[in-house]
Amino acid sequence: EAQVTQNPRYLITVTGKKLTVTCSQNMNHEYMSWYRQDPGLGLRQIYYSMNVEVTDKGDVPEGYKVSRKEKRNFPLILESPSPNQTSLYFCASRPQRSNTEAFFGQGTRLTVV
Amino acid sequence: AQSVAQPEDQVNVAEGNPLTVKCTYSVSGNPYLFWYVQYPNRGLQFLLKYITGDNLVKGSYGFEAEFNKSQTSFHLKKPSALVSDSALYFCAAQLSGSARQLTFGSGTQLTVLP
Repeated sequence: EAQVTQNPRYLITVTGKKLTVTCSQNMNHEYMSWYRQDPGLGLRQIYYSMNVEVTDKGDVPEGYKVSRKEKRNFPLILESPSPNQTSLYFCASRPQRSNTEAFFGQGTRLTVV
Repeated sequence: AQSVAQPEDQVNVAEGNPLTVKCTYSVSGNPYLFWYVQYPNRGLQFLLKYITGDNLVKGSYGFEAEFNKSQTSFHLKKPSALVSDSALYFCAAQLSGSARQLTFGSGTQLTVLP
């Protein structure tokens, strides 16, 4: 089954404790990206990747890191989480052509206390 | 910079009535436009897209959307709403040929009342 898998689905952590949210897709898609969803703001792009070892900042990259060492994986790293990073996070992937729809993971609800 | 606006945070409609969820966009160039739906505790699911050609596009679950270039709009419609259509709907734009990912609107919560 074609899918984007995120882990964990839910995470509660404390300020400053490094964490990683994993994302994996099995569709051989070139493009992957991370979004955060906040009430009234919709989805805002954090980082995106056009292919292995090619990443770029989205609209709200501060406080986040990503890496793309393999085509299928695109982890999101919070080196020192803060409460304002409490949000619902989505990973997405799509083929290279820009007229194709994206596939989304189930989401990771992160709470930073 | 491109932007997408969904002017209504909430839309309520009675079951069986037609529904419209509004979306306008601001993109310099030819946009690709998408509608996604999000059910509680789920990821976003693709509904339909406009790439080129016929201004009326049909998608999943009986939804359709009308692209209007002069009004820069891409409203989502359904002739007869179902209670099961209640969900959060997002409009999104992708600039053709761009490496950037989607730009989303703020979302519209649709509630279909029995």
